[in-house]
Amino acid sequence: GAGVSQSPRYKVAKRGQDVALRCDPISGHVSLFWYQQALGQGPEFLTYFQNEAQLDKSGLPSDRFFAERPEGSVSTLKIQRTQQEDSAVYLCASSLARGTGNTIYFGEGSWLTVV
Amino acid sequence: GQQLNQSPQSMFIQEGEDVSMNCTSSSIFNTWLWYKQDPGEGPVLLIALYKAGELTSNGRLTAQFGITRKDSFLNISASIPSDVGIYFCAGRGGSNYQLIWGAGTKLIIKP
Repeated sequence: GAGVSQSPRYKVAKRGQDVALRCDPISGHVSLFWYQQALGQGPEFLTYFQNEAQLDKSGLPSDRFFAERPEGSVSTLKIQRTQQEDSAVYLCASSLARGTGNTIYFGEGSWLTVV
Repeated sequence: GQQLNQSPQSMFIQEGEDVSMNCTSSSIFNTWLWYKQDPGEGPVLLIALYKAGELTSNGRLTAQFGITRKDSFLNISASIPSDVGIYFCAGRGGSNYQLIWGAGTKLIIKP
């Protein structure tokens, strides 16, 4: 597609439920990022993939969070046993390569509310 | 997590006024980026800065990469209603992929 596509756009989950958020990056983009954005805050880094390799997962807040990109294109962020503090917008972004001069394009986000 | 100091937090301006916002960091960055985020949307890149002292324009927007590499500002001239939204600065330091973000400046245009 023309841009980064995320689904679902909105998700309401009951506390304790598992959720899976999908990201389709721009075709051909090597780098893929997941960010978490709480209401009224800037995004915070969760994890980074270069192709299928997860090179950095230092931002994942707990072991309930898991991300994968098995074929180096589509990525899934999974949150197990959701808690209320997981309520946030989850943003996916991609860029053509890893270099500093490459523009990072963001998707519209998946808005998660845990009740 | 680590964040940049972005100010002001919000701005109430009249249409046609100029706007200025800035970000400061305690650490040196090698890239400064300015994004705009509309409600229900993801951030959209406005201006990217890669060199200390660099001054770059994008239409009515102008941004500068501070000489100390610890700050950046964004100016919007002659604001119009569609400028309303939240503006974020983001910086990249030693790691060349992880962005550190400001908390945003909310721009509101008074009727």
